[in-house]
Amino acid sequence: DAGVIQSPRHEVTEMGQEVTLRCKPISGHNSLFWYRQTMMRGLELLIYFNNNVPIDDSGMPEDRFSAKMPNASFSTLKIQPSEPRDSAVYFCASSLQGSLGNTIYFGEGSWLTVV
Amino acid sequence: ILNVEQSPQSLHVQEGDSTNFTCSFPSSNFYALHWYRWETAKSPEALFVMTLNGDEKKKGRISATLNTKEGYSYLYIKGSQPEDSATYLCAFIKYNTDKLIFGTGTRLQVFP
Repeated sequence: DAGVIQSPRHEVTEMGQEVTLRCKPISGHNSLFWYRQTMMRGLELLIYFNNNVPIDDSGMPEDRFSAKMPNASFSTLKIQPSEPRDSAVYFCASSLQGSLGNTIYFGEGSWLTVV
Repeated sequence: ILNVEQSPQSLHVQEGDSTNFTCSFPSSNFYALHWYRWETAKSPEALFVMTLNGDEKKKGRISATLNTKEGYSYLYIKGSQPEDSATYLCAFIKYNTDKLIFGTGTRLQVFP
């Protein structure tokens, strides 16, 4: 079975450019999470969706970040404009009915470098 | 602010040694604790989901215990192998939320 699929795997972009990260959750999973991994702060939850609806976006750092889930099989995380401090690994994860007691499956991450 | 702390931050052991690390979390409003194994450039892989005080779970040479009253979980690796080298992450879920709050991980390196 295909796991959580993220693209691109690696992106290097210049400061000020728009970055769009994509995620395809595991088929049948109805919760989707976006995480950011940095050396300083570890894995932080940015936003999560249940049944395509954003439930909690309190982790989104600022207005430059936005996330959408137009259908059950696709989500995007957009940064506009990007800044060097956005450089991190962005993970998408999915699970069945949220994370309460259920295993969350992670994608392989999108490694973003903003120069 | 919910603090999930892991110790030690990093650990170097010889092949065959047994080792353990700690995850500390808030003891109030506990719902679940997850353990993950993460190798660089790969997906974090779920090891255990623990929900009950006193839970003990085992997967091969890896096991974990949970104490929700005092707010800690231990992960044990028996007879470490070089392929066990990875970062081990724990994540706490507060009651009535869907948020996994991660610790910063314990980075384990096993030398042959």
